[in-house]
Amino acid sequence: SQTIHQWPATLVQPVGSPLSLECTVEGTSNPNLYWYRQAAGRGLQLLFYSVGIGQISSEVPQNLSASRPQDRQFILSSKKLLLSDSGFYLCAGRGAEAFFGQGTRLTVV
Amino acid sequence: GEDVEQSLFLSVREGDSSVINCTYTDSSSTYLYWYKQEPGAGLQLLTYIFSNMDMKQDQRLTVLLNKKDKHLSLRIADTQTGDSAIYFCAETAAGNKLTFGGGTRVLVKP
Repeated sequence: SQTIHQWPATLVQPVGSPLSLECTVEGTSNPNLYWYRQAAGRGLQLLFYSVGIGQISSEVPQNLSASRPQDRQFILSSKKLLLSDSGFYLCAGRGAEAFFGQGTRLTVV
Repeated sequence: GEDVEQSLFLSVREGDSSVINCTYTDSSSTYLYWYKQEPGAGLQLLTYIFSNMDMKQDQRLTVLLNKKDKHLSLRIADTQTGDSAIYFCAETAAGNKLTFGGGTRVLVKP
């Protein structure tokens, strides 16, 4: 079965510090991969999606970047975090079905 | 572009049926999904329907798809307090994006 491993589950980082969130996929090859952010009490905002290694599409201008160095690895990064980057970040994948990681709750202080 | 809309809130009494509605704009949608998110947790896939189907039933859940009107609904029979959560519909299309609605917060009252 298709599984996404996403870590860490929670993260508290100071303003201006770097960020690296990673997710890895099992059980499927060449999936489409997605990073979403969910601000408190709100819906899911698509940040980035990738249809293959090295291919990244950005949906909104922001302080974050994404990379896909391997077929089953998707990384969300920032060089300098802002307070507004706080939120719940979800990695998702899609082969036939869409499947999710458990999310990372990021608090920037 | 793709757009998925849901109502914000639904209140229902325990034991009644809940119906959560969703509309979408992309006529090339292939799969449509319903997810449940409990407080502080990630998204749990409840069910999905392929765009060439009209209905799918899975225990207490019934999904209805009206492709002509681009309308998707999720019916929960015999709603329980544990069904209180935010429910998201989502769709995928040929453009590879996975687009979500804003979520419907369901509150089940005893």
